[in-house]
Amino acid sequence: ETGVTQSPTHLIKTRGQQVTLRCSSQSGHNTVSWYQQALGQGPQFIFQYYREEENGRGNFPPRFSGLQFPNYSSELNVNALELDDSALYLCASSTGTGGSGNTIYFGEGSWLTVV
Amino acid sequence: EDQVTQSPEALRLQEGESSSLNCSYTVSGLRGLFWYRQDPGKGPEFLFTLYSAGEEKEKERLKATLTKKESFLHITAPKPEDSATYLCAVLPYSGNTPLVFGKGTRLSVIA
Repeated sequence: ETGVTQSPTHLIKTRGQQVTLRCSSQSGHNTVSWYQQALGQGPQFIFQYYREEENGRGNFPPRFSGLQFPNYSSELNVNALELDDSALYLCASSTGTGGSGNTIYFGEGSWLTVV
Repeated sequence: EDQVTQSPEALRLQEGESSSLNCSYTVSGLRGLFWYRQDPGKGPEFLFTLYSAGEEKEKERLKATLTKKESFLHITAPKPEDSATYLCAVLPYSGNTPLVFGKGTRLSVIA
């Protein structure tokens, strides 16, 4: 049990639409990051939030945005969906940023299919 | 650029046939090296974190080791339930830099 819960587990959207994915972390996990995992690939970093502020971003366009809330929940928003956005979206949380014994835990992911 | 390469891409073993998975990495400074197990359609499940060269950790049939350039995940006498994709990731020294993953090794253990 990782204490990281994601919703929804599966969803199908049409190209051009917008989607919001949600993540709930354990109490005290003040760092959350989001990853995109295409089939057969390793997870790719989208962005990271620490104490409700974005403090790192990967090579993803601005139509990928996020928020972190005081109750250790967060969300990933994707606007103007493209077919290539079809992937498993993973939320990861930890206390701090993962060094010195701070394990980074992942949720089960949200499968997004864009048609 | 921080980079992780895992080999082999896929590995098929008979039940009880021990083997090792390799994770080679280049990183500006290593804060930690993580191993995860991922079942199809699921999120990565944490296995180990290694912090310095020479460190070893064990869990059931799995043992992870770390050198300055690579890590190995040794699987002793595997069972069919060990079938999964094993992901390796490095956490570079910068506090704002996230995990950098390899593509994983897909392990199949046949009874």
